[in-house]
Amino acid sequence: GAGVSQSPRYKVAKRGQDVALRCDPISGHVSLFWYQQALGQGPEFLTYFQNEAQLDKSGLPSDRFFAERPEGSVSTLKIQRTQQEDSAVYLCASSLARVYSYEQYFGPGTRLTVT
Amino acid sequence: ELKVEQNPLFLSMQEGKNYTIYCNYSTTSDRLYWYRQDPGKSLESLFVLLSNGAVKQEGRLMASLDTKARLSTLHITAAVHDLSATYFCAVDMKIAGGTSYGKLTFGQGTILTVHP
Repeated sequence: GAGVSQSPRYKVAKRGQDVALRCDPISGHVSLFWYQQALGQGPEFLTYFQNEAQLDKSGLPSDRFFAERPEGSVSTLKIQRTQQEDSAVYLCASSLARVYSYEQYFGPGTRLTVT
Repeated sequence: ELKVEQNPLFLSMQEGKNYTIYCNYSTTSDRLYWYRQDPGKSLESLFVLLSNGAVKQEGRLMASLDTKARLSTLHITAAVHDLSATYFCAVDMKIAGGTSYGKLTFGQGTILTVHP
């Protein structure tokens, strides 16, 4: 079946622009995660949704970062007034989140370059 | 704060040789994961280890978990060029109440290059 999809795959933004990154999780997956992966580093947690509820946003680096999942399926990560340090790959992952169903499936990522 | 450390960070191997990647973590965890990432690609799940003493094998890769030592290993047997990639371990941290929901903390990654 279809995996996690993300769009756009690549985004170039001028410093100060707002961007919106989309994630389509696997159908029926309750949990959705966003991670940020800087060049040469491991992914770092940004935020977590269970259905439409954002239960953990402790990893969002500043109040310029905002995520939503209004209907419990598609999620959008928005970055306002982008800065160069926001340049990274943004990964979305989803999982079933049932007992013993713990595996996260990652999307291909959106590579954001802020110039 | 949960810390996950991998070593080595860079590994250059000859085909046919064996080697081990180590993953240490700092606090109690529910689960430990190993992922593979090819350049420019996303993360591919290799193993999920749930309990102390767990061992899983797939082809030339074998992963094990020692929760008492807070250590996991990824052993590579008779390496082949196709195994060249970056390997990450990730830990799912227990939260208050003794459960976890999948928030992963990743190691820095081990870049594996297999030479002929």
